[in-house]
Amino acid sequence: KQEVTQIPAALSVPEGENLVLNCSFTDSAIYNLQWFRQDPGKGLTSLLLIQSSQREQTSGRLNASLDKSSGRSTLYIAASQPGDSATYLCAVENRGSTLGRLYFGRGTQLTVWP
Amino acid sequence: SAVISQKPSRDICQRGTSLTIQCQVDSQVTMMFWYRQQPGQSLTLIATANQGSEATYESGFVIDKFPISRPNLTFSTLTVSNMSPEDSSIYLCSATSGRGVLDIQYFGAGTRLSVL
Repeated sequence: KQEVTQIPAALSVPEGENLVLNCSFTDSAIYNLQWFRQDPGKGLTSLLLIQSSQREQTSGRLNASLDKSSGRSTLYIAASQPGDSATYLCAVENRGSTLGRLYFGRGTQLTVWP
Repeated sequence: SAVISQKPSRDICQRGTSLTIQCQVDSQVTMMFWYRQQPGQSLTLIATANQGSEATYESGFVIDKFPISRPNLTFSTLTVSNMSPEDSSIYLCSATSGRGVLDIQYFGAGTRLSVL
């Protein structure tokens, strides 16, 4: 069974810092890995999707990398802003499971203070 | 992309009652899912809502407790039956095209349920 772990569980940084969120998974037979953002009272918003054949994806100040063989992904946030404060979730879609079924980590709660 | 409308956004219910949550997608999608997120926990899949057939439930979840409907390719409902305080959670629906490597998954805003 796929297990997804995220560290740290919480992170508090001053505005402007570059930061890294970590995600690890136990089964490397994946279709893709997604990073989501969850704001209080709102649903999940997909930030980046990395296909299993890719090494990284970038969107604005966000960069996500994937090392499938070691079962790891990182989300790099450059020049953090207070508006980045949210919970960040990592999820993988397994080969051999129902298409679209995601396995989630518990998330990293990020606070960026001015 | 897809926009998912989920309602109600929150509710407070009495023990023993049932609540039906609705999920509407603005385009036809292949796969729809229902997740539960308990406080401080990860999202846990309840079931996959299949159009035209019975939902597929994950271990620990049963149809009598969480009946699901999927009458067409844009709509699904989840009912939480005979509620107890342990059912207090956020319930989220999601949808995707089911294309494997290219699957971006879209989520509703969630239903925050409190059972007294």
